[in-house]
Amino acid sequence: GAVVSQHPSWVICKSGTSVKIECRSLDFQATTMFWYRQFPKQSLMLMATSNEGSKATYEQGVEKDKFLINHASLTLSTLTVTSAHPEDSSFYICSAQTGYPHYDEQYFGPGTRLTVT
Amino acid sequence: AQSVTQLDSQVPVFEEAPVELRCNYSSSVSVYLFWYVQYPNQGLQLLLKYLSGSTLVKGINGFEAEFNKSQTSFHLRKPSVHISDTAEYFCAVSSRAFPQGGSEKLVFGKGTKLTVNP
Repeated sequence: GAVVSQHPSWVICKSGTSVKIECRSLDFQATTMFWYRQFPKQSLMLMATSNEGSKATYEQGVEKDKFLINHASLTLSTLTVTSAHPEDSSFYICSAQTGYPHYDEQYFGPGTRLTVT
Repeated sequence: AQSVTQLDSQVPVFEEAPVELRCNYSSSVSVYLFWYVQYPNQGLQLLLKYLSGSTLVKGINGFEAEFNKSQTSFHLRKPSVHISDTAEYFCAVSSRAFPQGGSEKLVFGKGTKLTVNP
């Protein structure tokens, strides 16, 4: 149980285009989803927190107009990288949280590797 | 604000040897601590967590960790490793209090790559 999927697992796009990454909780309802970014040999850095039906909360330094997050349902959140540039190339990981009584655990997706050329 | 330091970026060990992966944290408030494991091409999986109570925490796959408040450490140990333990291990800290609930913000260390050799 508690499986989170991400699609696509790997995407290459040209500079200036937009890319959408999906995060789905397959066997549970996720009240909260998180989006992280991971650079090679670096920590996972939290980008934003999204709750179903409300606007995402972005971490300091993350451009909300560039990284659009939509949490349209209890099983799906999407991250759209708009007007992508090579510096946006990274590994993007989502996680989902079920809520009470399991507030303390996040279930992670396998990640999406984005390469912008 | 919290921060996490994983002191070793890579740890090579032989099969059946003991291993310790070190993690230190800094925080001005009470913390909750986690260890996650990431196998190649997979998502992060929770190994164990410390929320309160006994400072020695046992997790899955034979791992355990000890919370040491005075040394601000949460080192991960396993008495005898297997080839299948080869993976990236992440220590993480959160300051969110439970059971008030709400979103939890995790701060991760940079990870330690454990390589178990035959």
